[in-house]
Amino acid sequence: GQNIDQPTEMTATEGAIVQINCTYQTSGFNGLFWYQQHAGEAPTFLSYNVLDGLEEKGRFSSFLSRSKGYSYLLLKELQMKDSASYLCAVRDSFNKFYFGSGTKLNVKP
Amino acid sequence: DAGVTQSPTHLIKTRGQHVTLRCSPISGHKSVSWYQQVLGQGPQFIFQYYEKEERGRGNFPDRFSARQFPNYSSELNVNALLLGDSALYLCASSPQGTTNEKLFFGSGTQLSVL
Repeated sequence: GQNIDQPTEMTATEGAIVQINCTYQTSGFNGLFWYQQHAGEAPTFLSYNVLDGLEEKGRFSSFLSRSKGYSYLLLKELQMKDSASYLCAVRDSFNKFYFGSGTKLNVKP
Repeated sequence: DAGVTQSPTHLIKTRGQHVTLRCSPISGHKSVSWYQQVLGQGPQFIFQYYEKEERGRGNFPDRFSARQFPNYSSELNVNALLLGDSALYLCASSPQGTTNEKLFFGSGTQLSVL
């Protein structure tokens, strides 16, 4: 079966760094995606990893270890607008996306 | 350029009724997929279509059906609505539906079943 786990909620301070972890077990693997979703809005793409290692994109970085079934999203220099849910999603070998339940990030001044 | 558009934005139905949700993908995108997002959960895969053919189906009952039209727009139909069908229904498009493509989501249709 498919299983994607991430923490339900996290709180961090403006200007700080936060790491959101995701572990997964899926039938095959064709990439791991991170999406940001503000309340009442559509998910928007943040990052994509298919090979092991770190992908950096501005204030956001994402890491993948396929052997451990593990990824994390790193957000630096947190801003109030980063308060949102962060969704970890895995694409399996049948091209289906499986999403975790999301991590609600609260950024406090 | 317009993003993925969905209609209606909100819908209220009663148990036993049926509903049709509509989605227009980004221009040039040939793959459309549908997701159900219950409050506090991540999106759950329902269907994927590419070039009018069903490419994948999630673990949803036969009450859920979909189709894709020649202009690549899509409809999701749900029959015999249950209270548990209340959710945000998201449509996503991608150019070819291949493995390295990201999904572009619409803002969704919020369905409430009373």
